[in-house]
Amino acid sequence: TQLLEQSPQFLSIQEGENLTVYCNSSSVFSSLQWYRQEPGEGPVLLVTVVTGGEVKKLKRLTFQFGDARKDSSLHITAAQPGDTGLYLCADGGMEYGNKLVFGAGTILRVKS
Amino acid sequence: KAGVTQTPRYLIKTRGQQVTLSCSPISGHRSVSWYQQTPGQGLQFLFEYFSETQRNKGNFPGRFSGRQFSNSRSEMNVSTLELGDSALYLCASSLMVQETQYFGPGTRLLVL
Repeated sequence: TQLLEQSPQFLSIQEGENLTVYCNSSSVFSSLQWYRQEPGEGPVLLVTVVTGGEVKKLKRLTFQFGDARKDSSLHITAAQPGDTGLYLCADGGMEYGNKLVFGAGTILRVKS
Repeated sequence: KAGVTQTPRYLIKTRGQQVTLSCSPISGHRSVSWYQQTPGQGLQFLFEYFSETQRNKGNFPGRFSGRQFSNSRSEMNVSTLELGDSALYLCASSLMVQETQYFGPGTRLLVL
């Protein structure tokens, strides 16, 4: 059974600071997805990465996929209060059909 | 285009009762998946339906069941509720299998 470990569990920072959260898998990712979930809502897909070493940017968010496809990081530059939420990584590989395996998530709180 | 809708949004039941939750996917989406989210276990896959057929099932007891109708709407049922079934139940839809899943806001179930 694949296990996804996310760190840190909780992060509280001031507006304008930079931060990085991590996701590590016990086995190779088929495809890695990052989601953000806000209170009272369902997760919203931020990005999907498939190729080892891949880097994707989404405005102030930078996603890196490890060369061995077993780890990933999400870096946020100049965090804003609107970035507050639960950040989840998930594996949604071919062999799983539509089944996503999620990590426990990182709760991010950005204070103004 | 309307997103995934789930009804009801909140529900309170007592132990031993049964409950039925409903999910209407995005128009045109044929795949529906269900997840359970709790503080202790995080997001866990329940089951997946495509064209009225269950394609995949997570590691949950038989008290958890679901179905999909010809219009792609889906229901899940939990019989003989236990306190540990208190959770946020999320539904996600996708156009086809292996495509981006879009989550609904969830149904928050409290079992007393």
